[in-house]
Amino acid sequence: DAGITQSPRHKVTETGTPVTLRCHQTENHRYMYWYRQDPGHGLRLIHYSYGVKDTDKGEVSDGYSVSRSKTEDFLLTLESATSSQTSVYFCAISESFLSSYNSPLHFGNGTRLTVT
Amino acid sequence: QKEVEQDPGPLSVPEGAIVSLNCTYSNSAFQYFMWYRQYSRKGPELLMYTYSSGNKEDGRFTAQVDKSSKYISLFIRDSQPSDSATYLCAMNNHRAGGFKTIFGAGTRLFVKA
Repeated sequence: DAGITQSPRHKVTETGTPVTLRCHQTENHRYMYWYRQDPGHGLRLIHYSYGVKDTDKGEVSDGYSVSRSKTEDFLLTLESATSSQTSVYFCAISESFLSSYNSPLHFGNGTRLTVT
Repeated sequence: QKEVEQDPGPLSVPEGAIVSLNCTYSNSAFQYFMWYRQYSRKGPELLMYTYSSGNKEDGRFTAQVDKSSKYISLFIRDSQPSDSATYLCAMNNHRAGGFKTIFGAGTRLFVKA
């Protein structure tokens, strides 16, 4: 699994509570990403990082923040969870800027988050 | 309209059948086309890639791109129960980088023994 660990694997939380998901990699890849996967929508990019302390927004970033204080760790925080954030969250890494055959996205096994 | 459209299935076939999975897209700037396979409760993994138009073959898998029609396909020959998974197409503009990769919604495939 390309040395990517996501924690927790499952989480149930209540509306309005803060939630932090963690992604840890052992590949020393520069680029890290957070996606959410929902039926009918596929994978949608939330935030990404191109280095320590360097992050930017993806297409569905509202309600989410990220931090990357070390190369190996990328945290996703839901400041105040809502039911619409119930989803499966995937972390991904890539070696270079160009995601293609020579630098594909490698995904973790996901965190299943339920907001009640 | 979504940039990438993919029939969600599910698609159920008998073992040994030829499977055809397809995606259409609207952005003519896409240059790299990929297929990811995702087993249940797992993350996606890269299965095939193609640059621009043409075919690429890898064992039982063939990826095909028709840029004039904005249509890509993945063919699986002699399908096996172990091929049962969700298949996601993905594509990006080479110059835009990995974070501009757009994924299809995925097609669930079941191969019956």
